This record gives sequence, C-alpha cells and structure tokens, in this order.
Amino acid sequence: AQSVTQLGSHVSVSEGALVLLRCNYSSSVPPYLFWYVQYPNQGLQLLLKYTSAATLVKGINGFEAEFKKSETSFHLTKPSAHMSDAAEYFCAASKAAGNKLTFGGGTRVLVKP
Amino acid sequence: DTAVSQTPKYLVTQMGNDKSIKCEQNLGHDTMYWYKQDSKKFLKIMFSYNNKELIINETVPNRFSPKSPDKAHLNLHINSLELGDSAVYFCASSPSGGRSYEQYFGPGTRLTVT
Repeated sequence: AQSVTQLGSHVSVSEGALVLLRCNYSSSVPPYLFWYVQYPNQGLQLLLKYTSAATLVKGINGFEAEFKKSETSFHLTKPSAHMSDAAEYFCAASKAAGNKLTFGGGTRVLVKP
Repeated sequence: DTAVSQTPKYLVTQMGNDKSIKCEQNLGHDTMYWYKQDSKKFLKIMFSYNNKELIINETVPNRFSPKSPDKAHLNLHINSLELGDSAVYFCASSPSGGRSYEQYFGPGTRLTVT
C-alpha cells in the first residue's frame, strides 16, 4: 500500500529564513505527488504538483519542490519565509488521475518575526 | 464563482442524531470525494464517486452513506452520530482523465457531536 511520511509535525522558522519541509513516499511505482497548504479553518489549496514531467516543480507563493526517485522524496522549499506562510502543509500522493489522495501527517509551520 | 462548496460550514449535534452534509462543484469534474480530517489533522479518504457511481469505499461504517444525484453533487448522510464522528469533512473533486491530477477541495464542514 502506498504511504506518505512527513518528517517533523512542527517546523519553526524565522521570517526571511529558508523553509524546508520533508516528504517521503513509499511506492514501487513513482506516484503523482502534491503539496497542499491549509490555513486555519480553511480548505486545502494546491501549492504544486509532480506528474512525471520536470523533477523540479515550481508552485505558488514562491514554493518549489524537487522529486528525487532515488531517495523517494519530494521535499518542499521556499528560500525566504514570510509571516503569511504560517499554515499546515500536507504532502500527498496518488496513483493516477481520478484516484484517491494518500496524505502525510502534515507539518505545521510557525514563522517568527 | 466558488469551485467546490459545502453546506453547512459548522454542524453541532447530539449523539444518536442523523445529519447530512452537502457538496457541489461547478468545475465540470466527474469525480468527487469525501475526506475526513481528525483532531490531529490527519486526512483520510472515505468515499469516491465517478459519474454518480461509487468507486472507493474505504472501510467506513455503514452509518455513513454517500449519495450522488448527479456528477456535480455528492452528499454525505450520517446516521446515529457518535462522539468519534467529530471531525472536519472535506469534499473534493477532480477530472478522471486527461493530464490534470490534482483535487480541488471545498472549505470543509466541522462536525461536532456532543
């Protein structure tokens, strides 16, 4: 069965510092991979997706992620954190279009002024 | 021009009651989903419908019954509510083919069972 692991349930960064959120997947076939962001009391918004095209994927709000098959990873980064980046971030995987998403446990990002 | 909408946003009810949550999408997608987010923020698929047909049922208790009157709507009815049903329920939709793989989520319905 497919699984997604996010290392670190909480990450605290200073404003202007690098944001790095880790995600590893477990699958014999590289799945489609996604990062979603959830702001308090809101739904999930797609940040970016990997669908077997370019391994370095750029998303909204300055985020990007790199797919590394050898490491079964899809880590999310942002060079400079902003206060508005404080939210819960979820990594997710899917086998195919129209298939269910399997989510990691989420990482809460706190941004210190 | 909301893409995926859910009603109600908040639902507070007592154990044993029956309640429904409604979901509508105006994206023209033919696949819709229900996810449950528990108190620890963990998200898990419950059901998926494609063109009104159930395609995923992830070992959810029989008290939960999804219904899709048409491909733009997916409702969730819950019988005999229990304390453990308290959670945030998210509806989502996606195209089932082509090259668009992401799912679009609604704002969620926070269900509190007392």
